[in-house]
Amino acid sequence: EAGVAQSPRYKIIEKRQSVAFWCNPISGHATLYWYQQILGQGPKLLIQFQNNGVVDDSQLPKDRFSAERLKGVDSTLKIQPAKLEDSAVYLCASSRNGGGYEQYFGPGTRLTVT
Amino acid sequence: AQSVTQPDIHITVSEGASLELRCNYSYGATPYLFWYVQSPGQGLQLLLKYFSGDTLVQGIKGFEAEFKRSQSSFNLRKPSVHWSDAAEYFCAVGDNDMRFGAGTRLTVKP
Repeated sequence: EAGVAQSPRYKIIEKRQSVAFWCNPISGHATLYWYQQILGQGPKLLIQFQNNGVVDDSQLPKDRFSAERLKGVDSTLKIQPAKLEDSAVYLCASSRNGGGYEQYFGPGTRLTVT
Repeated sequence: AQSVTQPDIHITVSEGASLELRCNYSYGATPYLFWYVQSPGQGLQLLLKYFSGDTLVQGIKGFEAEFKRSQSSFNLRKPSVHWSDAAEYFCAVGDNDMRFGAGTRLTVKP
């Protein structure tokens, strides 16, 4: 089966600009996650979707970050405006149905904010 | 609140030597525990997981881990390391709200 797809793989923007990342989960996976991985740290969950509803967005900086999952399939994560500290790898993962099911990770998008 | 500690930031072992990566967790109930590996420029790949039952779990690539409730630990082991095992290793705990440790970078010497 095809894995989790993410695009773009790399993005460089200036602070205060906006940026969007796209994720296509594994077909049939109901749960989709966005993680932020800052260099030297483990991934931090930003938001979790179950189908097209938000399960957990407690760690999402809602003043600048937004995410949606239209029709319960693809998802986009947006940052507007970006700050220097947003430089990180943004990982998308999906699983069959949340809970303890295995999460499959995409390759990530490396964002550099200058 | 759940949390994960990986005490070792960086470990170097010789090829063919045994490996143990440490993981300690804090979790209110019976935890779901995971080990993931991340190679440079790649996403995370699941090595193994523990939900319940036998406390010694086998994973892919010859890795195993042992759940010790009394020590709140879930250490990862491999009897003989290969050069291709060089990567970043992450321990994680939780189900819906998964928490990752900061990772341990493994270097393998020839």
